[in-house]
Amino acid sequence: DGGITQSPKYLFRKEGQNVTLSCEQNLNHDAMYWYRQDPGQGLRLIYYSQIVNDFQKGDIAEGYSVSREKKESFPLTVTSAQKNPTAFYLCASSVGTANYGYTFGSGTRLTVV
Amino acid sequence: GENVEQHPSTLSVQEGDSAVIKCTYSDSASNYFPWYKQELGKRPQLIIDIRSNVGEKKDQRIAVTLNKTAKHFSLHITETQPEDSAVYFCAATPQAGGGADGLTFGKGTHLIIQP
Repeated sequence: DGGITQSPKYLFRKEGQNVTLSCEQNLNHDAMYWYRQDPGQGLRLIYYSQIVNDFQKGDIAEGYSVSREKKESFPLTVTSAQKNPTAFYLCASSVGTANYGYTFGSGTRLTVV
Repeated sequence: GENVEQHPSTLSVQEGDSAVIKCTYSDSASNYFPWYKQELGKRPQLIIDIRSNVGEKKDQRIAVTLNKTAKHFSLHITETQPEDSAVYFCAATPQAGGGADGLTFGKGTHLIIQP
């Protein structure tokens, strides 16, 4: 609901595995963002994209990768280089830039097993 | 880059009393300051925002004030109700060249409304 969909809701990763988190929006928003949420840490920016085929690193991009081949989609890959991937991942989108506020997805909880 | 500090980390108030959450930011170029509410297990939702050309904004029981000189902004909730219990996040972003680098969030305040 809310026009931005994240899947799966729960994801389990084995050590050394890459996993991809999906984020799709039908709001016709240009900008999309990935945040990581840890208890007591707030939301920290991983990657963001203002337009198709372009994206920038956020504050904690190491061990993550993204693509923006379509306006509607902004998948996040958590690679084996991310040493502490267990967290709650939130995708967001906005009309043009962050200055217009975000619509968040419902999140994906990733656990390393 | 921008750094946002938020206080307190936990706030407990009696139902019907007011709650105030404060944030400071470091980048004087920041010009947009939203507040998000996140209920347990749910996504953050925008509850109010303010831009740098405004000093105060109200929406029913919620208000936000901004002091650009001191680089701080606050969320005020009056006549608190049980459904106000949640984690609240402040955020800030500068706008550079017409674009923005994404919101920088505070670490959140867990607001507890005591019956």
